[in-house]
Formats: sequence, C-alpha cells, structure tokens
Amino acid sequence: EIVLTQSPGTLSVSPGERATLSCRASQGIDSDYLAWYQQKPGQAPRLLVQGASTRATGIPDRFSGSGAGTDFTLTINRLEPEDFAVYYCQLYGSSPLFTFGPGTRVDIK
Amino acid sequence: QVQLQESGPGLVKPSETLSLTCSVSGVSITTSYWAWIRQPPGKGLEWIGYIYFSGNTNYNPSLESRVTISVDSSKNQFSLQLTSVAAADTAVYYCARLKTGRSKTFDLWGQGTLVTVSS
Repeated sequence: EIVLTQSPGTLSVSPGERATLSCRASQGIDSDYLAWYQQKPGQAPRLLVQGASTRATGIPDRFSGSGAGTDFTLTINRLEPEDFAVYYCQLYGSSPLFTFGPGTRVDIK
Repeated sequence: QVQLQESGPGLVKPSETLSLTCSVSGVSITTSYWAWIRQPPGKGLEWIGYIYFSGNTNYNPSLESRVTISVDSSKNQFSLQLTSVAAADTAVYYCARLKTGRSKTFDLWGQGTLVTVSS
C-alpha cells in the first residue's frame, strides 16, 4: 500500500502571494496517476490537476503541478480570495485503487 | 451540461443498510465509469468503489464485504448499498464520474449528501 503524505497541514498565505503545497508518496509512483483537487467548505472537490502537471479544463494558469517519483508539488501563484480552500492529492494504482492524501488547508494570513 | 445528483435517506439506523442513488443528466451513463466517494465530517476523502455500465465493479478492500454498486442504464442512474452500517459510516457521500485514459481522475462530482448513522 502506498501512503500519501501532504504538508504542511495548514498554510497561511496573504492574497496575492504564492502557496506551495507538497504531496509525498511512500514509494515511487507514475506521475500520470497523481492528481490534485480543491475543496471549498460545503462543496464537492474540484479536479485541478491530472497527470501531476496538466491542468483540468477551466482551471486558471495560476495553478501549476509538478514533480516525479515520490515528491509532487502544487503551486498557486498570486492567490485569489477564492483559492482559500483545502487541497487534496490523489493517487491511482495502489491498494485501494484510489487513495487521497490527508489534505492541506490554505487559509488567509 | 453534465450533472450528478445524489439522493437517499439522510438518517440510517446502526446495523441497517445505507442506500443512495446518483442520477446523471446531460450524458449517457453508458459513456463512462462512475464512482462513490465519502467524507466523514471534518475528515478526508475515501474512495468506495466504481462501476461501468456493463456492471463491472471495483471496490475499496476495506469496504468490499459490505458494498454493492449497481447501475440502471434505463434510468441513467447508479446506486450504492452499504450494509451493516455503524457510526463510523457517517459521512457526506459523493457520486462522481471517473475519467479513464492514462490519468484516472474524478472530473465531475455531485454536490454530496450527508448520511448520519444513528438510532
């Protein structure tokens, strides 16, 4: 079983600044199988990034994903008020077939 | 515009069966895989399982003994049954579309429905 760890647990950022979120896998994974989601309070998650670095349809270019092997990063440039949310990474291919990281909360500094 | 909508009882008694339905509109259910995901209050996301219109399923091993996902193509719906529920099954239950291809992701979600297990 591959375990996903996200850090930090909470990130306090000022609007307009950059946020850097980490997702680490307990063993090397295929980057095609790493995705990122955003979840706002009371809402369903929204797909942001698939294949570690490809933005989903309609996602602004201030969101970017990168990484390979065991270490992956979601970077949010020029944080907008609507970007304050919880972010989850998700892996396909281990057991269970789909796993989510514990999440990183991005809140307003 | 593709939309997913969960429906079902919001309160289930311990040891009973949780039953939810996801109604899909805007696209035929035969075109994709469909999944259930849950989120206990204040906690993270847990994949429950998925189904294809042919009936092919795959479940989370931690829930497999209690879960059944089925599909009704004539109604463009798919359903979740979770037996012998306990308080730990209290969660918001989401239905979602599983996008296949090289990257396997959940690209469309329902709004979610809170199911509370309590007597």
